[in-house]
Amino acid sequence: AQTVTQSQPEMSVQEAETVTLSCTYDTSESDYYLFWYKQPPSRQMILVIRQEAYKQQNATENRFSVNFQKAAKSFSLKISDSQLGDAAMYFCAYRSGNTGKLIFGQGTTLQVKP
Amino acid sequence: SAVISQKPSRDICQRGTSLTIQCQVDSQVTMMFWYRQQPGQSLTLIATANQGSEATYESGFVIDKFPISRPNLTFSTLTVSNMSPEDSSIYLCSASDRGAYGYTFGSGTRLTVV
Repeated sequence: AQTVTQSQPEMSVQEAETVTLSCTYDTSESDYYLFWYKQPPSRQMILVIRQEAYKQQNATENRFSVNFQKAAKSFSLKISDSQLGDAAMYFCAYRSGNTGKLIFGQGTTLQVKP
Repeated sequence: SAVISQKPSRDICQRGTSLTIQCQVDSQVTMMFWYRQQPGQSLTLIATANQGSEATYESGFVIDKFPISRPNLTFSTLTVSNMSPEDSSIYLCSASDRGAYGYTFGSGTRLTVV
């Protein structure tokens, strides 16, 4: 079975600084996708960034980028120029290419200090 | 991406009763899922809602307690049956079409059982 692990329950960053959230996963599948989701207090799940496992190039979306290390099964999220609106819970998620199911890590609560 | 309308947004229910949560998607989607989330914690997959057939439940979740319907490609319901205070949680539905484009989530139902 696939598992996703986020070892940082809480992180904090100063506004305008850079922060990296860690995620590791375990799978025997070759076809899968990885995601980072943001969940603010409103509970709405917001897709931040996605990565196809077959792509070697790291995904980037504006201030958000990932460091995808396939051999190490690591998928970290870097947030540059942090903004107050980035404060939320962040979830790393694994999508099985076989079943389509989305499995989540434990989450990291990010605090942004002004 | 698809937009999901989830109802109700919150409810307070008496123990021993049942609550049905509805999710309506604004376009046809291949897959729909139901999750449970304790406040401040991760999302746990309850089941995959299969169109026209019985749902596929994850370990620890059974049909008698969480019956799910999916009569077409845009609608699904989750019923929480014979509720106890331990069922107090947030329930979210999710939908995805094939491919790596992530999943859309409903806004969640906050259930309190008293």
